[in-house]
Amino acid sequence: KAGVTQTPRYLIKTRGQQVTLSCSPISGHRSVSWYQQTPGQGLQFLFEYFSETQRNKGNFPGRFSGRQFSNSRSEMNVSTLELGDSALYLCASSLSGTASNYGYTFGSGTRLTVV
Amino acid sequence: GQNIDQPTEMTATEGAIVQINCTYQTSGFNGLFWYQQHAGEAPTFLSYNVLDGLEEKGRFSSFLSRSKGYSYLLLKELQMKDSASYLCAVMNQAGTALIFGKGTTLSVSS
Repeated sequence: KAGVTQTPRYLIKTRGQQVTLSCSPISGHRSVSWYQQTPGQGLQFLFEYFSETQRNKGNFPGRFSGRQFSNSRSEMNVSTLELGDSALYLCASSLSGTASNYGYTFGSGTRLTVV
Repeated sequence: GQNIDQPTEMTATEGAIVQINCTYQTSGFNGLFWYQQHAGEAPTFLSYNVLDGLEEKGRFSSFLSRSKGYSYLLLKELQMKDSASYLCAVMNQAGTALIFGKGTTLSVSS
């Protein structure tokens, strides 16, 4: 079965611009989470959606937002980009989002570079 | 606060056994995960522990002690392909987020 698909794979943006990243979860998975990965901070939780509702949000500024559609696909948006937003953005999906033996399945990520 | 600690780097030789430790202090706990991440690739699920004890899965085993806030990942019969970053993550109480450590980069040499 198809895995978690993230598009685009690579993106270069200029400071002050905004960006939208997309994530298609595994078919049947209703929970989608987003994480930011940087060399200094590792993986940090951004937000989690289940059935179009945001259930949890990490400690990121309001410039970071997301949404989930009825088909479980999710998008995240970053407005007024800063150099420090350069990172690998990872999306993860699971059936219900709660802890389980199956864990979360991650996509390959979108590498965002802000110049 | 939330804090998950694991060593930054470890080295080992092919065929050896290596143990990667993880200690955590989190405001809630709903299970502990280990993920493997090769450079430039997505993290892949290795193990999940929610009860104390050892879970064995082939060459990989994971142990959890909730009272000590401690886990380890044991890798046996190391192979070159095991060179990767190993990520320890705690699930929050609500089961809606993973809190990750910064990862341990394991280098396996021949």
